[in-house]
Amino acid sequence: QTVVTQEPSLTVSPGGTVTLTCASSTGAVTSGYYPNWFQQKPGQAPRPLIYTVNNKHSWTPARFSGSLLGGKAALTLSNVQPEDEAEYYCLILNGGTWVFGGGTKLTVL
Amino acid sequence: QISLKESGPTLVRPTQTLTLTCTFSGFSLSTSGVGVNWIRQSPGKALEWLALIYWDDGKRYSPSLRSRLSITKDTSKNQVVLTMTNMDPVDTATYTCAHLYRSGFDHWGQGIMVTVSS
Repeated sequence: QTVVTQEPSLTVSPGGTVTLTCASSTGAVTSGYYPNWFQQKPGQAPRPLIYTVNNKHSWTPARFSGSLLGGKAALTLSNVQPEDEAEYYCLILNGGTWVFGGGTKLTVL
Repeated sequence: QISLKESGPTLVRPTQTLTLTCTFSGFSLSTSGVGVNWIRQSPGKALEWLALIYWDDGKRYSPSLRSRLSITKDTSKNQVVLTMTNMDPVDTATYTCAHLYRSGFDHWGQGIMVTVSS
């Protein structure tokens, strides 16, 4: 069964840049894994940010971007704002089924 | 605009079968490329994908839960139903449905908290 691994936690300063990654136990993540990224704040439903590697939803702030980096899916936050403090989840398609990563808790400090 | 809402019991007994309904609006589940997923999240834990039904009635299940899950759709009622058998306290979670279009999970319901307890 596929395991999707994310950094458990990251810390970034306001105005800084941070990259979160998403790795698959089955090998390199490619566009065919259709990675999605979500932001979740306490008590709220996940908010979709990115789909199919680097496509933004109409509500996704410009400072969020997706990419493939070193065999992983990546989410980069530029000019980080205090309100970006949240849990971030990736989701990939593997073997016809979808798998979430364990999440990255992003602290803005 | 697209919206989804989950409904069903909030308390089930161990060994019982859970039946949840996702009622949606703003899209048709007969449109090519569209799907509806079920996802759950246990308190303090990560999101877990459970199942997906496509516009063409194709179905996908989490390998670890496949034997316990069933997903169906009623296109005329704009509903998707998930059943999970043999419920256990570890299945206590918020269950959420989400719209899928062209591999993007773009709209989610608010979720329903289901507690499994005797």
